[in-house]
Amino acid sequence: EAGVAQSPRYKIIEKRQSVAFWCNPISGHATLYWYQQILGQGPKLLIQFQNNGVVDDSQLPKDRFSAERLKGVDSTLKIQPAKLEDSAVYLCASSINIDHYNEQFFGPGTRLTVL
Amino acid sequence: SQKIEQNSEALNIQEGKTATLTCNYTNYSPAYLQWYRQDPGRGPVFLLLIRENEKEKRKERLKVTFDTTLKQSLFHITASQPADSATYLCAVPGGGADGLTFGKGTHLIIQP
Repeated sequence: EAGVAQSPRYKIIEKRQSVAFWCNPISGHATLYWYQQILGQGPKLLIQFQNNGVVDDSQLPKDRFSAERLKGVDSTLKIQPAKLEDSAVYLCASSINIDHYNEQFFGPGTRLTVL
Repeated sequence: SQKIEQNSEALNIQEGKTATLTCNYTNYSPAYLQWYRQDPGRGPVFLLLIRENEKEKRKERLKVTFDTTLKQSLFHITASQPADSATYLCAVPGGGADGLTFGKGTHLIIQP
């Protein structure tokens, strides 16, 4: 089966610019996650969707970050305006359903550099 | 919130030996622990899940233990190979839904 797809793979922008990342989860997976991974750190959960509804966005910096999953399939994460500290890899993951014992399948990530 | 601690220094192991990685948590005992492998430029890949009522879990050359008294999980790779070189991440359920809280990971290097 096809894995989690993300694009772009790399993005370089200047601070205060906007950027958007796209994720297509594994077909049939109801739950989708966005994580931020800063160099040398583990992934940090930003937002979690169940179908097209937000389940947890407690760690999403809502003054500059937004995410949507309008039809319960693809998702977009946006940063506006970007700051230097947003430089990181943005990972999308999906799981078959919301269940504490499900494994999560990760995409390759988008590496963002903010200059 | 839960804090996860993993050895931040790289772990160098000779090929064929057993590699043992440590994951410590500081607050409440999680319902389960998950272990992931991450290669450079790639997303994490799920390896094993161990529940709080399980002492040990095995999968091929991998073994995970969970000690709620010590607040610790150990991850073992037996008969290690250079292809096992990667960063290994420990994760526990976060405070919200089923999103995960990850440790920083341990970089494992298996030398031929």
